[in-house]
Amino acid sequence: QKEVEQNSGPLSVPEGAIASLNCTYSDRVSQSFFWYRQYSGKSPELIMSIYSNGDKEDGRFTAQLNKASQYVSLLIRDSQPSDSATYLCAVKPNTGNQFYFGTGTSLTVIP
Amino acid sequence: DAGVTQSPTHLIKTRGQQVTLRCSPISGHKSVSWYQQVLGQGPQFIFQYYEKEERGRGNFPDRFSARQFPNYSSELNVNALLLGDSALYLCASSPGLQETQYFGPGTRLLVL
Repeated sequence: QKEVEQNSGPLSVPEGAIASLNCTYSDRVSQSFFWYRQYSGKSPELIMSIYSNGDKEDGRFTAQLNKASQYVSLLIRDSQPSDSATYLCAVKPNTGNQFYFGTGTSLTVIP
Repeated sequence: DAGVTQSPTHLIKTRGQQVTLRCSPISGHKSVSWYQQVLGQGPQFIFQYYEKEERGRGNFPDRFSARQFPNYSSELNVNALLLGDSALYLCASSPGLQETQYFGPGTRLLVL
């Protein structure tokens, strides 16, 4: 059973702060990693993907991957109230075509 | 370009009934995956189809079935509905099997 673990939160940060979201996974040979944002009552929308160790930046978002530690994180700089949502971590192993999702971390940005 | 579309948006059924959910992928995408998301949980993989063939199946009972058509659209069928089938059903499309998946708006199914 391939597992993806996220702290369910809720995580609260003040507006303008950095929000840090974490995800660990059990399958050592996992290949691809994704962060999705899901607003209440809506479907997940892709924020970014990361495939190699290190950091990947896209605007206010930075994904960090450490395959040796089986850990992927998402940093949101200058957090805005519109960032308030549930953030889902998804992992795709080397074998098979299935994406495995964590339960999500609920983020609230306080104005 | 249009994103992934799903129909219907909402559905109410009673136990024992059957339901068919529909999905049209992003133009040019050949792979469709289906997920079930219950409240408070992450999406759980049900099926993946690519070029009309099933390429992955999650841990769901045989009451769940799907197919993909020549235009790459897909249907998910659930027979003998149970209360526990109440969930948001998500369709995701990707260009190929190994690539990033993009979700549609989902179909919210309530089984009474």
